[in-house]
This record gives sequence, structure tokens and C-alpha cells, in this order.
Amino acid sequence: DTEVTQTPKHLVMGMTNKKSLKCEQHMGHRAMYWYKQKAKKPPELMFVYSYEKLSINESVPSRFSPECPNSSLLNLHLHALQPEDSALYLCASSQDLRAPYGYTFGSGTRLTVV
Amino acid sequence: QQQVKQSPQSLIVQKGGISIINCAYENTAFDYFPWYQQFPGKGPALLIAIRPDVSEKKEGRFTISFNKSAKQFSLHIMDSQPGDSATYFCAATNLNFAGGTSYGKLTFGQGTILTVHP
Repeated sequence: DTEVTQTPKHLVMGMTNKKSLKCEQHMGHRAMYWYKQKAKKPPELMFVYSYEKLSINESVPSRFSPECPNSSLLNLHLHALQPEDSALYLCASSQDLRAPYGYTFGSGTRLTVV
Repeated sequence: QQQVKQSPQSLIVQKGGISIINCAYENTAFDYFPWYQQFPGKGPALLIAIRPDVSEKKEGRFTISFNKSAKQFSLHIMDSQPGDSATYFCAATNLNFAGGTSYGKLTFGQGTILTVHP
């Protein structure tokens, strides 16, 4: 299995809702990442987990809360989002931080905040 | 210093032509330079990558040229095909924990929208 699987593919949520994005990989990768991508822009790093521990938080607002329950799974919990948070949210994984070879992205969750 | 500057923003090429996308970086701690291809509605996919100890790497129709002294690298797509039409991102990172704040992060260029006409 060489894929990073993200669910759901599309999500519409109100500003008072709580929702979660899910990311799964079975490649034995020990680094996992959340990125945010706006239309016609490059991905922007949000969080990095290394060996299930949060390694990097790129000053992301607390309305985004990451969680890494095990080495295969990465969640992003969303609460009280703003319309400007609407974007494509990408999960990625790599062997580890020192070996980004095979850095693999999922297809993303298209999030719309209304 | 963390920026990677990519040009052109958009590129139109005829089928069979050569597509060339250029990137420049400032951070000398960067030591791994991948290129990604992204189709609409999909995540970026790794195309080809290079380390600074080589000046060129070729995989099929895709070649990276790397100029360490100029801190520039470029992607050449030979015999461009309509199926190559996509957005291309260059990126850079540093694999050395002692390399500072760029460790573990991919810094992306702004992207190039490539259109290959039949």
C-alpha cells in the first residue's frame, strides 16, 4: 500500500460546528504532516508529527487541533472555523524527518466553512 | 531566507516541445530539492528530486539541473505532452537536524501552471 488516504473528500461546516479530518497511511512512515492549500497557491505547512509526537506547529490557530493516535493515523479536529479557513487540507507522510524520500500526499479534503 | 522563488507563473508549450521551470533559493542549509506535480482536485505527487552533490538528474522525460553556486535549480520536461498539463511546484528542505529551522519542512515555490497544447 503506497497511499495516503484522507476522509472525507469534501466537507461543508458551519462556523459553530465541530468536525474532524482523518488521514491514514500503511507504509510504515513515521513522519506525518498537515498542510493547507488555497486555490492557485502552494501548500502551507501546519503541523508535523514525528514518531507520534508533535514536532512542529507553524503557529496555527487553536481552532485547529491535530492528533496522532498511532503511527498510521493522523486527525485534524476543527472547531469554530472562519470562512477564510476554507481550503484544501492535505495530509502527507514520509519515512521520517531525516528521510523525506517517498514524501507522499493524500488527495486532500476540500473544506468549505459557511 | 526561507523562500523559494519559482518562475514562470504560467507556461504554454506545444506538444513535443521542452518545458522549463526555474527555481532559486536563499537558504544554504537546504540540501534536498524535490519537484511536485499537481492535477486539479489531487494532492501534489513527487516527480523527481535532487541532492546538491550532483548537478543533474534525469528520470524519463524529466530532468533536474542544479547549480549550487548560483543557488538555482530547474525542471526540464522533454517532449511535453498534453497529459503533462498540471501545476508544478519546486520545493526545498534540509535533512540535517543541525541545519536550523528548515529541518523537517518543505518550503514550496509559488507554482507554475503548465499547459501543453496538442
